Amino acid sequence: EVVMTQSPATLSVSPGERATLSCRASQRISSNVAWYQQKPGQGPRVLIYGASTRATGIPARFSGSGSGTEFTLTISSLQSEDSAVYYCQQYHNWHCSFGQGTKLEIK
Amino acid sequence: QVQLVESGGGVVQPGRALGLSCAASGFAFRSHAIHWVRQAPGKGLEWVAVISYDGRKRSYAESLKGRFTISRDNSKNTVDLQMNSLRAEDTAVYYCARETWGSEGYTSFDVWGQGTMVSVSS
Repeated sequence: EVVMTQSPATLSVSPGERATLSCRASQRISSNVAWYQQKPGQGPRVLIYGASTRATGIPARFSGSGSGTEFTLTISSLQSEDSAVYYCQQYHNWHCSFGQGTKLEIK
Repeated sequence: QVQLVESGGGVVQPGRALGLSCAASGFAFRSHAIHWVRQAPGKGLEWVAVISYDGRKRSYAESLKGRFTISRDNSKNTVDLQMNSLRAEDTAVYYCARETWGSEGYTSFDVWGQGTMVSVSS
């Protein structure tokens, strides 16, 4: 089973600044990694898939990168509506796992 | 519009069974694998199970194997999750999600239901 570990657990960033969220896989995996945003009381929304491809309708300030075991979600020029919990996810060979989440707070 | 709607949640005693259903509309249901993902109160997302577009392939989280069963009926556009021998730690919001294929064959869960709450308590 692939374990996804996210860091930091909580991140506080000022509006207009950049946020960098990390996700590490317990073993080398393919780039079938996605990032999701979840706001209170809502279901998750996909932001990035294939480690670096933005999903439909996602603003360009969201970008993903990485390969192997290290993956990153970068949110440039933070806006107040970006306050949420962000999850990374891997899916390989009919098994899926999520990271434990990073809570992003806007100062 | 494209949507998934879960139903069947409620309060159930430990050791009992409960069935959830996910109804799809607005898209070619039989072309997509469907997943169940759960979220315990105040906790993160936990993948539960997946069923292939034609129902021939099923896979489960290792920790749940043997207690949960996923199935689908493409004539009714529904996916069910049968949960047996429920425990307190199964208490969660259960979401169904559509798997979709994007560029270069990578997948994501692009449509999610609103979730249905399951509480396991005596």
